[in-house]
Order: sequence, then structure tokens, then C-alpha cells
Amino acid sequence: GENVEQHPSTLSVQEGDSAVIKCTYSDSASNYFPWYKQELGKRPQLIIDIRSNVGEKKDQRIAVTLNKTAKHFSLHITETQPEDSAVYFCAATLPPTSGTYKYIFGTGTRLKVLA
Amino acid sequence: GAVVSQHPSRVICKSGTSVKIECRSLDFQATTMFWYRQFPKKSLMLMATSNEGSKATYEQGVEKDKFLINHASLTLSTLTVTSAHPEDSSFYICSAREGGPEQYFGPGTRLTVT
Repeated sequence: GENVEQHPSTLSVQEGDSAVIKCTYSDSASNYFPWYKQELGKRPQLIIDIRSNVGEKKDQRIAVTLNKTAKHFSLHITETQPEDSAVYFCAATLPPTSGTYKYIFGTGTRLKVLA
Repeated sequence: GAVVSQHPSRVICKSGTSVKIECRSLDFQATTMFWYRQFPKKSLMLMATSNEGSKATYEQGVEKDKFLINHASLTLSTLTVTSAHPEDSSFYICSAREGGPEQYFGPGTRLTVT
């Protein structure tokens, strides 16, 4: 089955610097890769996603890149702010085999932005 | 759009009792709903997938008789933890999808079994 690895597990950056979180997946059939931000005790919120037919997607300070050959995708946050501090999860999704998409989550990255 | 609610947000129950958690999609019809469990400082662990009107599909290792899932309509799914024990204490989160692969998460329910 699909397996997703996420690195680093913790990341501290100075305010204004960039942060990069990387995920690798094992099943080349995966075709949808969302990123979620979760604050303590809150719901995961979708911040950006990318499909396998696209190499890069950007939304203001957040970007995601996908390398299908290497089977990895990365989240890039530029000009980090203290409110970016949270846990970030990546996920990979296989095409539905029984009509249902299923996420395989990474283990999460705790990002701390130091003021 | 794409709002998912969950009720209750917190519940404390005694060992041996059952607890029901509701998950609702407020502004869309959910083709599929998912139930996750999250331990402190850990990732989300998928427990089961449910489609409206069908039996839920449970992940390996999840006891279907303990975690009863009902998906009676396109906007409501319920998770019942039966005969709860302290080890069932956790953060339970539902999510819902409409047509595409995107999942929208509920705010979670913190269950404490005493």
C-alpha cells in the first residue's frame, strides 16, 4: 500500500525566513497531494493542494512543488510569520478503487516561527 | 463553503457506557465521510470510510463492533463508541468529501473516558 514519509518532524525558523517541508510517497499511482495546517486542538485546514498533472502551484506565500519521477513533493512557506506556527501534514491520495478516495497522511511537521 | 460540523466538541463518559459523535456537512452533500483518530502529537489515523446508505469500510485493526458508524444521509454520519474504556480516550475527527478528492474536516471531538 501507499506510504508517506515527512521531514523534518520539527522546524524552527526566524520570522521572515522561508520554511520547507518535504514528503515522499511510495505508490506512483497517487495523483492528489494536499497539505493541511493544524493548530493545537483544532481541525486540520487545507492550505494548498496539487494534482499529479501539475509540477508547481502557488498561493501568495505558500507554494507546493511535485516531482513525480522522484515521488516527492514539498511545501514552501516564504516570509514566515508567527501565525504560521502549527503542525503541517502532507497526504497522498490514490485514485479510488471502490469509488472512494483515501488519504495517507505523513507524520507531521511542527513548525515554530520565532519572532 | 465546505463546512463540516461535529458534535459534541468535548465529552466525558464513564467506563462501560457508549458515546455518539455526530458529523454533519453543512453546505454540501457528502459523497463520503471519514472518521479519524488522533493521539497527542501524532498524525491522523483513518478508522473507517463510509458512503451514504452503505456499510462502513473499516481499516485494519479497527474493531467494527466497538466503533459503530452510521451514514444515514448525505449530510450526516455518526460514530458510536460502544462500551468505552479509558484507552478509547482520544481526539476523534471526521471529514467529508463532495465529489473530488478534497476532504474537509470537522472541528473534532475530545473524548475522555473515566
